[in-house]
Amino acid sequence: NAGVMQNPRHLVRRRGQEARLRCSPMKGHSHVYWYRQLPEEGLKFMVYLQKENIIDESGMPKERFSAEFPKEGPSILRIQQVVRGDSAAYFCASSLRGTTDTQYFGPGTRLTVL
Amino acid sequence: SQQGEEDPQALSIQEGENATMNCSYKTSINNLQWYRQNSGRGLVHLILIRSNEREKHSGRLRVTLDTSKKSSSLLITASRAADTASYFCATAYTSGTYKYIFGTGTRLKVLA
Repeated sequence: NAGVMQNPRHLVRRRGQEARLRCSPMKGHSHVYWYRQLPEEGLKFMVYLQKENIIDESGMPKERFSAEFPKEGPSILRIQQVVRGDSAAYFCASSLRGTTDTQYFGPGTRLTVL
Repeated sequence: SQQGEEDPQALSIQEGENATMNCSYKTSINNLQWYRQNSGRGLVHLILIRSNEREKHSGRLRVTLDTSKKSSSLLITASRAADTASYFCATAYTSGTYKYIFGTGTRLKVLA
């Protein structure tokens, strides 16, 4: 029973390029959450999705960032025209039920913007 | 300031000693969770405690919740070098929002 999978684990992009981060939730989980973690800091909530729906995107920057969780396939966090400040670890979590349920985290994608 | 503030920010103890970390929050919660993060790795869920619970145990871990003081503590007994990690609390609001709020964590170092 695989846990939450994220890929790639490490991603290097030059300024202005696009970054696509993927997250496959645990089997049977339909709730996905994305968080960002800067060095030596806690996790900051970005977005909460259920299949084909964005439930809460209050933590997403207004520009350049988008997320989806299609009916088939993984959830995608997309960052367009990356800047150095986007360098961080991005974690995905999933839960079986809603947000009062335990969230299980993936290993994260470490994005470095050159 | 942010919900879910851990205290202390850093803690260094000898193997075999107990480690206590605290978490304070500001608004009513549905539940509170503790996570561990080893350097450069993902988060591992430790314990979830609901707002109507006061104490939970899991192995060498003991979590308490005091809703009147809006605080929680995580106690690790008989610590081991392998317990060296950052520990975060995460709170879920009762107000109908959907996100967990994480604190900045306590960095625990257990010296062998």
